[in-house]
Amino acid sequence: QVQLVESGGGVVQPGRSLRLSCAASGFTFSSYAMHWVRQAPGKGLEWVAVISYDGSNKYYADSVKGRFTISRDNSKNTLYLQMNSLRAEDTAVYYCARGRQQWLVVHDAFDIWGQGTMVTVSS
Amino acid sequence: DIQMTQSPSTLSASVGDRVTITCRASQSISSWLAWYQQKPGKAPKLLIYKASSLESGVPSRFSGSGSGTEFTLTISSLQPDDFATYYCQQYNSYTWTFGQGTKVEIK
Repeated sequence: QVQLVESGGGVVQPGRSLRLSCAASGFTFSSYAMHWVRQAPGKGLEWVAVISYDGSNKYYADSVKGRFTISRDNSKNTLYLQMNSLRAEDTAVYYCARGRQQWLVVHDAFDIWGQGTMVTVSS
Repeated sequence: DIQMTQSPSTLSASVGDRVTITCRASQSISSWLAWYQQKPGKAPKLLIYKASSLESGVPSRFSGSGSGTEFTLTISSLQPDDFATYYCQQYNSYTWTFGQGTKVEIK
């Protein structure tokens, strides 16, 4: 069964750090680009970051550039999002999602999503 | 950055209705557009990719059309399971942008 399971969310103070994880199963993780997408409470979807299948290419939304780092460990079938200098506006459910086609980074939709993990930034 | 604008923001419809949602891009994105369905408390689900290709397992009552800057999602006969929020997404470049969403409500 193809599955993505996020973890690591919680309540954190502004300015602090948090690392999210996304465990993949049921498919060849090392063949797919992976994304993080977030959704603030009651709001729409916002793409956050993407990493290529081999980790060699990474792209970020302007809103998180320089603060967040996406990475992956293909030996552990796990995707990560290191979030530093957190702000109140980073409060959201964070989803990991798989690029639909093997090997591609650009020109690709997201076909598998995790259930999400909530991050609340508050003092 | 490419901006995506959906209309309407909310749509009230009845079971059996034909429903159309529009998505406009701020610049041409060729056919690099996807549609997702999201229900409360759940992750989005891919319905349509490359503007008009139906994702495997998605009912054929869903269809997509358009290219360039104007796109539509059509539900040919609305079913009870279709009441949800729908998002378009462009993936023309190395940033991905979603529309603000269209909530389909029961009339």
